[in-house]
Amino acid sequence: DGGITQSPKYLFRKEGQNVTLSCEQNLNHDAMYWYRQDPGQGLRLIYYSQIVNDFQKGDIAEGYSVSREKKESFPLTVTSAQKNPTAFYLCASRRDRGNTEAFFGQGTRLTVV
Amino acid sequence: DQQVKQNSPSLSVQEGRISILNCDYTNSMFDYFLWYKKYPAEGPTFLISISSIKDKNEDGRFTVFLNKSAKHLSLHIVPSQPGDSAVYFCAASDTGTASKLTFGTGTRLQVTL
Repeated sequence: DGGITQSPKYLFRKEGQNVTLSCEQNLNHDAMYWYRQDPGQGLRLIYYSQIVNDFQKGDIAEGYSVSREKKESFPLTVTSAQKNPTAFYLCASRRDRGNTEAFFGQGTRLTVV
Repeated sequence: DQQVKQNSPSLSVQEGRISILNCDYTNSMFDYFLWYKKYPAEGPTFLISISSIKDKNEDGRFTVFLNKSAKHLSLHIVPSQPGDSAVYFCAASDTGTASKLTFGTGTRLQVTL
């Protein structure tokens, strides 16, 4: 079955620690995205990548980093510089820049304790 | 700067009636628009999309209308069913320049019996 897999579903982090969220897709999509959802704020774009070894900052990239070494994988690192990391994180992928829909993973709930 | 806006945070509709969800955008370069449905703690699922060359697209109970001059789109659900209760997000992209996909803040739809 083709799809996007995010892991883990729930993640707890101590303040001051970096943590990496996994996102893997087997849809052969070129573009991949990371969004963050907070109550009442919709989905805000953190980073996106249109092609392997290239990525662009979204609207709220501060405190986050990404890599795109393989087409299938787009991990997101939440660094200690991110002031409010507790949120629901969503990864998505899309075939290309044309008129196509994006497919989402099931999300990772990150809680800083 | 919120380029995609959903000004109604919530909407309640009786089962069998029409649900109308609205979305406004400010970026005139947006040329592809999508609607997603989201349940709590899950990733959004794609519902329907429309290209800027059209003003209407229909898929079963779902119809999306686009008014380019007003920079406004709406999603109509007829007839509404209890299973439609969820948060609905509109999204937009400028397919000419980048893969960036911008989402609105969402509207929570509750369909009552």
